[in-house]
Amino acid sequence: QVQLVQSGVEVKKPGSSVKVSCQASGGTFSSSTFSWVRQAPGQGLEWMGRIAPVIGVPNYAQKFQGRVTITADKSTSTVYMELSSLRSEDTALFYCATASPSVTGGLDVWGQGTTVIVSS
Amino acid sequence: DIQMTQSPSSLSASVGDTITITCRASQGIYNYLAWYQQKPGKVPKLLIYAASTLQSGVPSRFSGSGSGTDFTLTITSLQPEDVATYYCQSYNSVPHTFGQGTKVEVK
Repeated sequence: QVQLVQSGVEVKKPGSSVKVSCQASGGTFSSSTFSWVRQAPGQGLEWMGRIAPVIGVPNYAQKFQGRVTITADKSTSTVYMELSSLRSEDTALFYCATASPSVTGGLDVWGQGTTVIVSS
Repeated sequence: DIQMTQSPSSLSASVGDTITITCRASQGIYNYLAWYQQKPGKVPKLLIYAASTLQSGVPSRFSGSGSGTDFTLTITSLQPEDVATYYCQSYNSVPHTFGQGTKVEVK
């Protein structure tokens, strides 16, 4: 059973960057694909991007292109999402998610979420 | 990019009712569509993938249908625990866009 554990709450200043981690266990890390999803307070889900560690090349939503970097470290089974040039509108809950081998579409395994607060 | 439009944005129904949520893609996505349930303060939960395949452990009162551009999520015999926001997501090609969500309340 795949499990995802994310890093803790972050409080950042506008203009700075944040790097959120997501460590996977119980599955085959390299053969999985990991997505990042943002949810602002009271708002819906936004797909930010994804990475397949076996390939190592991420895909990003155009909205976040140029500000987001998603990477994977196969040695620690950890994926990272770094968001730069933070502004107050980036205050949100950030999730990493993946699919179990038996699920052929969608995301059935989610991390607990990481709260990022952007405030001066 | 593909846009996903859900309707309605919210609905209220009685216990035992059957409700339907619609998701429309701006271009054809075959059956590469998933539905999620998110209860307040909780992590999203996958309900359906491949437009109509029920995820393991999800009650059979949930069902999905559609292909191409038009999809539906149906909940038969609505239960109090179904109060949540429901999202569709396309995964035909990147970006894997979510719909804006449909908030379901029980009268």
